[in-house]
Amino acid sequence: KQEVTQIPAALSVPEGENLVLNCSFTDSAIYNLQWFRQDPGKGLTSLLLIQSSQREQTSGRLNASLDKSSGRSTLYIAASQPGDSATYLCAAHSTGTASKLTFGTGTRLQVTL
Amino acid sequence: KAGVTQTPRYLIKTRGQQVTLSCSPISGHRSVSWYQQTPGQGLQFLFEYFSETQRNKGNFPGRFSGRQFSNSRSEMNVSTLELGDSALYLCASSSRGPDTQYFGPGTRLTVL
Repeated sequence: KQEVTQIPAALSVPEGENLVLNCSFTDSAIYNLQWFRQDPGKGLTSLLLIQSSQREQTSGRLNASLDKSSGRSTLYIAASQPGDSATYLCAAHSTGTASKLTFGTGTRLQVTL
Repeated sequence: KAGVTQTPRYLIKTRGQQVTLSCSPISGHRSVSWYQQTPGQGLQFLFEYFSETQRNKGNFPGRFSGRQFSNSRSEMNVSTLELGDSALYLCASSSRGPDTQYFGPGTRLTVL
């Protein structure tokens, strides 16, 4: 059974700082790993998807890495801005589970002025 | 391209009632998944439909059911509502399965 953990649960950083969010998963048999952002009371916005065969994906100031053998993924946010404040969730898509995503509990990020 | 839409956005029901939530996927997407999000349990998978067939089901009681129509729109039904069913219900669509999942804004259900 896939289990996904995110550390830290909450993070507060000053504007402009670079930061790393961590995600670990127990079963390395995955199709892909997806990172999402959720604003309070809203739905999820897809940020990046890394296929199991990939090591990295980049979009703007975001870079996600995947190390399947160690069951880890990281989301790097460069030059953080107050608008980046949100909860960040990672989700593992395990093989043989159709479209089912297993989510971590999220990291709540606050970027202060 | 329009995103995933969910209706209604907010619902208030009382215990024992039933409720139906609707999800319209992105045009061309055939897979629709449903998730329940609560502060205590986080995001939990309910079920997934692909081409009108349920492909996967999470660990929820039989009071939770769903279906998908030929136009890929999906409905989720919860019967005999309990207080613990209060949650944000999210649906997601993808083109075939192991692709990027796109989520709707959710339906906030409150059971009194």
